Amino acid sequence: GENVEQHPSTLSVQEGDSAVIKCTYSDSASNYFPWYKQELGKRPQLIIDIRSNVGEKKDQRIAVTLNKTAKHFSLHITETQPEDSAVYFCAASESGTASKLTFGTGTRLQVTL
Amino acid sequence: NAGVTQTPKFQVLKTGQSMTLQCAQDMNHEYMSWYRQDPGMGLRLIHYSVGAGITDQGEVPNGYNVSRSTTEDFPLRLLSAAPSQTSVYFCASSRTSTSYEQYFGPGTRLTVT
Repeated sequence: GENVEQHPSTLSVQEGDSAVIKCTYSDSASNYFPWYKQELGKRPQLIIDIRSNVGEKKDQRIAVTLNKTAKHFSLHITETQPEDSAVYFCAASESGTASKLTFGTGTRLQVTL
Repeated sequence: NAGVTQTPKFQVLKTGQSMTLQCAQDMNHEYMSWYRQDPGMGLRLIHYSVGAGITDQGEVPNGYNVSRSTTEDFPLRLLSAAPSQTSVYFCASSRTSTSYEQYFGPGTRLTVT
């Protein structure tokens, strides 16, 4: 089955700096890669996703890049703000079963003033 | 639209007790799934269903049963609770198994003593 590894497990940045979280996956059949943000005590919320037919996607301060050859994808957050502090999860799913996700272990992002 | 609802929000069980975690959605989604979330482990898929009457196992199905008699409901049953089942449980749904966005419920925090 699919295996997703996520790094780092914790990340502390100063407000205004950029943050980068990286994930690798094992199954070359995976073709959908979402990122979820989870605030303390809340449910995961989808913040951005990318499909295997594109290499990069951007939504305001958030961007995701995908390297299918190397089987890794990354989340980039620019101009970080205190409200970006949360746990971020990457995930991957196989072709034909986009809803069946394998998650990474999460990155706790702390944005300090 | 209530979205995905879960009950109860909190539950404490003694080892060996059984219980059912309830999950319902009012979006007429075909695909529903259960995840458990443990510290440092991310979300792991327990069971999923691609439609009424159809269920399948995920990554960590042992100790759990599911059924899907209606489109709206997808209960998760713990047959004989064990301390290792202490976790936060999330139900999620999506329009179909090939839909990209999943909607998560608020979660149930279960403690087994």
